[in-house]
Amino acid sequence: DAKTTQPPSMDCAEGRAANLPCNHSTISGNEYVYWYRQIHSQGPQYIIHGLKNNETNEMASLIITEDRKSSTLILPHATLRDTAVYYCIVRVGNTPLVFGKGTRLSVIA
Amino acid sequence: DAGVIQSPRHEVTEMGQEVTLRCKPISGHDYLFWYRQTMMRGLELLIYFNNNVPIDDSGMPEDRFSAKMPNASFSTLKIQPSEPRDSAVYFCASSDNSFYLYGYTFGSGTRLTVV
Repeated sequence: DAKTTQPPSMDCAEGRAANLPCNHSTISGNEYVYWYRQIHSQGPQYIIHGLKNNETNEMASLIITEDRKSSTLILPHATLRDTAVYYCIVRVGNTPLVFGKGTRLSVIA
Repeated sequence: DAGVIQSPRHEVTEMGQEVTLRCKPISGHDYLFWYRQTMMRGLELLIYFNNNVPIDDSGMPEDRFSAKMPNASFSTLKIQPSEPRDSAVYFCASSDNSFYLYGYTFGSGTRLTVV
């Protein structure tokens, strides 16, 4: 069972920042937060992950609250190609990824 | 690196027929995962292997489904006999031991339609 809660859908204007929230109130101390996305008809793609510190890479930033019960994925300048379903997943160590329903992000021109 | 390669990309078969889906993981990856995606149930883990050995097959829906990994570079998912409710996109993914750092790499999937 997925341990996260995400809004089912969000819209974002092209060029603006997309902020995707995720609640994981039952997260344990050794569980990481992962974000994946799935563009239509493709396999899921890894975006970023973190344990307790904020993280940034070339795709996105991940902000994790101090109590670790929620996080936000930030796409700083959303483009039409960022339209996808975004999955927030918590897991420990080398356990398999369990996907929830995710958030369908629509980037609008 | 060609990534995770799945074949065929599309498969249409009649109910009752045997279906075999194939996956070639990334060279050097020792974990392999099979997922199924439907509109109703989303992405479900079916089975995963480590060093060619099945670790957890609790997600395999029933005995009609079987998966093998005869060597490090090849895995199959077989459905016999197939039923219309097996229609879905089947994804294969692979990873090395660092997947707690970087997660998996997924293939492009096989879209199965059973009529």
